[in-house]
Amino acid sequence: EVQLVQSGAEVKKSGESLKISCKGTGYSFTNYWIGWVRQMPGKGLEWMGIIYPGDSDTKYSPSFQGQVTISADKSITTAYLQWSSLKASDTAMYYCVRSPIGDRGWFDPWGQGTLVTVSS
Amino acid sequence: DIQMTQSPSTLSASVGDSVTITCRASQSISSWLAWYQQKPGKAPNLLIYKASSLESGVPSRFSGSGSGTEFTLTISSLQPDDFATYYCQQYNSYSLTFGGGTKVEIK
Repeated sequence: EVQLVQSGAEVKKSGESLKISCKGTGYSFTNYWIGWVRQMPGKGLEWMGIIYPGDSDTKYSPSFQGQVTISADKSITTAYLQWSSLKASDTAMYYCVRSPIGDRGWFDPWGQGTLVTVSS
Repeated sequence: DIQMTQSPSTLSASVGDSVTITCRASQSISSWLAWYQQKPGKAPNLLIYKASSLESGVPSRFSGSGSGTEFTLTISSLQPDDFATYYCQQYNSYSLTFGGGTKVEIK
């Protein structure tokens, strides 16, 4: 079974750094793009960016370019989303997703989500 | 970026009703559209890809249609498990974008 398992909820203060993770199992991790999607409280879905673990090729939404860093460690089949300096506006649920057909595709499956809460 | 507009934003319906959700793209996206269902506190779940292809395991009462700029998701006979929020997503070009969502509520 293809699964994406994310790290647990985080509570941070503004200005702190954070790295959350997403472990892929049940498939060849290096052959599929892994993306990240943000959902702010009570709001819709926003695509942040995507990485190909095979060669670390990464693409970002312009809205998130420079705000976050997406990376992957293929040796442990894990993708990451990190912030160097969190803001209160980063409070959201973050989902990792697999794209079955390349860097531009639908998303399946989704991780269970990581809730990030940032206090000012 | 391609803008995706869903309508209605909220829909009230009864068990057994047939419901249709519309998703419009600001420019042509061919058939590069997916639909997801999200229940409260859960991650979204893929229902439809390539506008009309039903994901394995999804009940056949869900169907998708359309191409170009106008798309629909139809639930033919609403079941209690279907009350949720539905999102469309285009993957024709960057940035990949979602519609604002349609909440299907019990009437």
